[in-house]
Amino acid sequence: GQSLEQPSEVTAVEGAIVQINCTYQTSGFYGLSWYQQHDGGAPTFLSYNALDGLEETGRFSSFLSRSDSYGYLLLQELQMKDSASYFCAVRSNFGNEKLTFGTGTRLTIIP
Amino acid sequence: KAGVTQTPRYLIKTRGQQVTLSCSPISGHRSVSWYQQTPGQGLQFLFEYFSETQRNKGNFPGRFSGRQFSNSRSEMNVSTLELGDSALYLCASSLGLGDTQYFGPGTRLTVL
Repeated sequence: GQSLEQPSEVTAVEGAIVQINCTYQTSGFYGLSWYQQHDGGAPTFLSYNALDGLEETGRFSSFLSRSDSYGYLLLQELQMKDSASYFCAVRSNFGNEKLTFGTGTRLTIIP
Repeated sequence: KAGVTQTPRYLIKTRGQQVTLSCSPISGHRSVSWYQQTPGQGLQFLFEYFSETQRNKGNFPGRFSGRQFSNSRSEMNVSTLELGDSALYLCASSLGLGDTQYFGPGTRLTVL
């Protein structure tokens, strides 16, 4: 089966940088996705890594190391609106190819 | 391009009843997945449909079922509702299997 671990809560200061880590165990691997979800809202897609390395999209970057079964989401120049839950998700390429989500990291930005 | 739409947005039912939720994917998307989100269990995969066929299924009892129509719209049905079925039910669409999923706003189901 698949399992993902990420910290449950992270607090960071407005304007700073924060990194949210995700480690996974899966039988087979397509790639690692990141989603953001504000309270009362739906998850919105942020990024996807299929290969090792860093993918940058504006203030957000995502990193993947397939050999370490590890990835992270990096948020720069933090804004108050970045306060939300962040989920990593992995889809395997073996057997039942469902998308499995981590339990989510609640990010709180303080002034 | 319009996003994923789900109806109804809110629903209150009593134990033992059944409910049907609807999802309209982004135009051109042929894959629809359903998830249950609760504070304790997070996002749990229910099932995925592509070309009117169920392709993947999560670990939920048979009371949870779904289907997809020829226009890619999907419905999920929950029969004999239990209190524990209270959750946010999210639908996500993608171009095809394995592609990036885009979520709808969800249906908040409360079972009394």
